[in-house]
Amino acid sequence: KAGVTQTPRYLIKTRGQQVTLSCSPISGHRSVSWYQQTPGQGLQFLFEYFSETQRNKGNFPGRFSGRQFSNSRSEMNVSTLELGDSALYLCASSLLAGDGYNEQFFGPGTRLTVL
Amino acid sequence: AQSVTQPDIHITVSEGASLELRCNYSYGATPYLFWYVQSPGQGLQLLLKYFSGDTLVQGIKGFEAEFKRSQSSFNLRKPSVHWSDAAEYFCAVGADSGYSTLTFGKGTMLLVSP
Repeated sequence: KAGVTQTPRYLIKTRGQQVTLSCSPISGHRSVSWYQQTPGQGLQFLFEYFSETQRNKGNFPGRFSGRQFSNSRSEMNVSTLELGDSALYLCASSLLAGDGYNEQFFGPGTRLTVL
Repeated sequence: AQSVTQPDIHITVSEGASLELRCNYSYGATPYLFWYVQSPGQGLQLLLKYFSGDTLVQGIKGFEAEFKRSQSSFNLRKPSVHWSDAAEYFCAVGADSGYSTLTFGKGTMLLVSP
């Protein structure tokens, strides 16, 4: 079974631009979560989507948004990019968001550099 | 809210020596605990997890971890470190809230000396 895939793997943008990152979960997984990883703040939770609905959100400004499609694929968008948005963005999928904990499987990440 | 503390930012271990990476968590109920490893430029690979049951869990690559509720700890151990183990290690806790959100520690960078 294929793992979580993220595209693109690397991205360079300039301040003020916007960017869209894509994540394809493991087949059959219905929950997708996004995390931001920076040297200063470490790994921080952005949001989680399940059945095309945002179920949980971390403490990030509104410039960070996402969505999930009917096939469970997810995109996240960052508008008006700032230098501090340079990070590794990790996507994780899990089988079912229900009672109890659902193990997450991580993709390789998208490395975003903002100049 | 849950939190995870990894008190050691960097650890250097000689190849062949034993390893213990510390992790303390804060969570009101029984936590779901994880250790992940990340090599430079790579995503996260799950080493092992604790959900319930036996408090000593075995993982991949010869790693094990012990859950100690009284100490709120979930330390990672390996009896003999290999040069290929050099990487960053993250401890994480998941909440039994119907969500899949993980809260991570800041990570411990493991350096292996010859």
